[in-house]
Amino acid sequence: ETGVTQTPRHLVMGMTNKKSLKCEQHLGHNAMYWYKQSAKKPLELMFVYSLEERVENNSVPSRFSPECPNSSHLFLHLHTLQPEDSALYLCASSQAPSGGAGTGELFFGEGSRLTVL
Amino acid sequence: EDKVVQSPLSLVVHEGDTVTLNCSYEVTNFRSLLWYKQEKKAPTFLFMLTSSGIEKKSGRLSSILDKKELFSILNITATQTGDSAVYLCAVVRQGAQKLVFGQGTRLTINP
Repeated sequence: ETGVTQTPRHLVMGMTNKKSLKCEQHLGHNAMYWYKQSAKKPLELMFVYSLEERVENNSVPSRFSPECPNSSHLFLHLHTLQPEDSALYLCASSQAPSGGAGTGELFFGEGSRLTVL
Repeated sequence: EDKVVQSPLSLVVHEGDTVTLNCSYEVTNFRSLLWYKQEKKAPTFLFMLTSSGIEKKSGRLSSILDKKELFSILNITATQTGDSAVYLCAVVRQGAQKLVFGQGTRLTINP
């Protein structure tokens, strides 16, 4: 139990569906992240929210839309995905000092395994 | 562009062996290097290294950073089957929040 909970753990969707991934952290952290993990590729950072403000968007296609309503919750809204978007999506949190620079140590959730048909 | 390269990508050893995993990096304004272990889903934190030459140790695992040669190693002694996992290396820049990860080393320990 890492203190970061992701739902659903598995999701299968068609290319025309709209779905959302949810992440909740119980660690009192103020920064949250979405990472994508594809087979045989490094973990790719998608989005960073610090103090509920998006501070990084790594050229992610607009069919992925993040939402951070408060410091404990993070969503990833999915629509009109492609089969190549099938991957493990990992949420993480960390404690960022008020200056904006993080401590470095991320706490990861178990991930949501997404399959796009 | 920041870059992290891990080697080997895959390693199979027998229980009781000692292994050394490598991580080299290129990053502007380096702040720290982190090692994670990923068994099934969630990567779990092992070490964070910020200073050269100071070994971090936790049980049978140890790690050291060389900021001059831009690499780190992770050592595991007396390996056990429970050490089987993907080991991830990541670096962080000064003033940044994102970790840049390497591809990982898949370690398999056979009984």
